[in-house]
Amino acid sequence: QLEESGGGLVQPGGSLRLSCAASGFTFTNYWISWVRQAPGKGLEWVGNIKYDGSEKYYVESVKGRFTISRDNPKNSLYLQMSSLRGDDTAVYYCARDAYRARYFDLWGRGTLVTVSS
Amino acid sequence: EIVMTQSPATLCVSPGERATLSCRASQSVNSDLAWYQQKPGQAPRLLIYGASSRATGIPARFSGSGSGTEFTLTISSLQSEDFALYYCQQYNKWPPRYTFGQGTKLEIK
Repeated sequence: QLEESGGGLVQPGGSLRLSCAASGFTFTNYWISWVRQAPGKGLEWVGNIKYDGSEKYYVESVKGRFTISRDNPKNSLYLQMSSLRGDDTAVYYCARDAYRARYFDLWGRGTLVTVSS
Repeated sequence: EIVMTQSPATLCVSPGERATLSCRASQSVNSDLAWYQQKPGQAPRLLIYGASSRATGIPARFSGSGSGTEFTLTISSLQSEDFALYYCQQYNKWPPRYTFGQGTKLEIK
């Protein structure tokens, strides 16, 4: 399973780090993504990271502001967010990229990030 | 960016009837298309991948079809637990530029 934490209220321009704890599978075999969902809106892929951390990709709107990292010995994934804006307000899910595929076969419950003054 | 368009936005169907949901891609994604179900307050759940393969544990009443730019999710005999939001997602491009449709809400008629 996947379990996110670290969400909360942050002011515009602020920073926040989300965590995702993985269990029940071999974490080092999988790419992992972050996907977000603004209140009442659809799903948006944010970015992902290769199983060994050597490759990372991001949606254009977060490039330069968000950084994905992982700590394989701790079976953990992170999303460091900075220069936050109101349109970053969303539930953030970590999701496992299916083995050798690029759809999402396991999702966490999500953590809410609210950017507001 | 590949834009995914789902129709209709809302679909009202009676329990026991068939539901047909559509998803269109702005350019060909071959069969790199997945469907997810999301219920209020829950994370999405994978239903279909590769346009037509059911994910583990998904009932046979769910089926997917299509390739290229036109895709369909069919639920053959709606059960009460099937009323939810449904999203399609393409994963054709590399480097990844995964995109989702805006969703179809399946409501009880």
